[in-house]
Amino acid sequence: DAGVTQSPTHLIKTRGQQVTLRCSPKSGHDTVSWYQQALGQGPQFIFQYYEEEERQRGNFPDRFSGHQFPNYSSELNVNALLLGDSALYLCASSLSAGWNTEAFFGQGTRLTVV
Amino acid sequence: AQSVTQLGSHVSVSEGALVLLRCNYSSSVPPYLFWYVQYPNQGLQLLLKYTTGATLVKGINGFEAEFKKSETSFHLTKPSAHMSDAAEYFCAVSGANFGNEKLTFGTGTRLTIIP
Repeated sequence: DAGVTQSPTHLIKTRGQQVTLRCSPKSGHDTVSWYQQALGQGPQFIFQYYEEEERQRGNFPDRFSGHQFPNYSSELNVNALLLGDSALYLCASSLSAGWNTEAFFGQGTRLTVV
Repeated sequence: AQSVTQLGSHVSVSEGALVLLRCNYSSSVPPYLFWYVQYPNQGLQLLLKYTTGATLVKGINGFEAEFKKSETSFHLTKPSAHMSDAAEYFCAVSGANFGNEKLTFGTGTRLTIIP
């Protein structure tokens, strides 16, 4: 089991550009959540996808959008990049069924906006 | 609304000494509480979690934590520190039905082990 995999591992973009980050969940998991971790901070919840729909959303602007595919993989898109978007973006997968499940995190994508 | 406060952004202990990392939470619903560890350039790994039942929970690598509702605390301890424990530790809270609820994290505590 490969666990949660994210791509790419590192990315450098210019202000104003758009970026797409990808996540493959752990085998058997159907829910994907995205978090932003700025340097020296704890992860901040961006949104969660289940059954190809956004189920919950944190306090992030509409520039942040996502998608979940039928195979449960997910993408995070950020438009009109700002310097402040530089961060480690973490994907977490979990199983929706049951009340005592665990979220597994990927190693993250380090985004640098210059 | 939920929030987590981790007291001490940096903690240093000698190898073999007690590790104590502090976490206080605020939650309008019965909380589920977690401790995660993050090694450099890595994602987060779950150390332990409290959902219901026994308030003293044991996790991996010899860590344990105790849920104290009256103190709204969930401090992480390890009796004897090892060099491999050096990492960033995050306390987190969620509502019930963990798999379907967002995690709210603290700002983290960097643990340094002194040889």
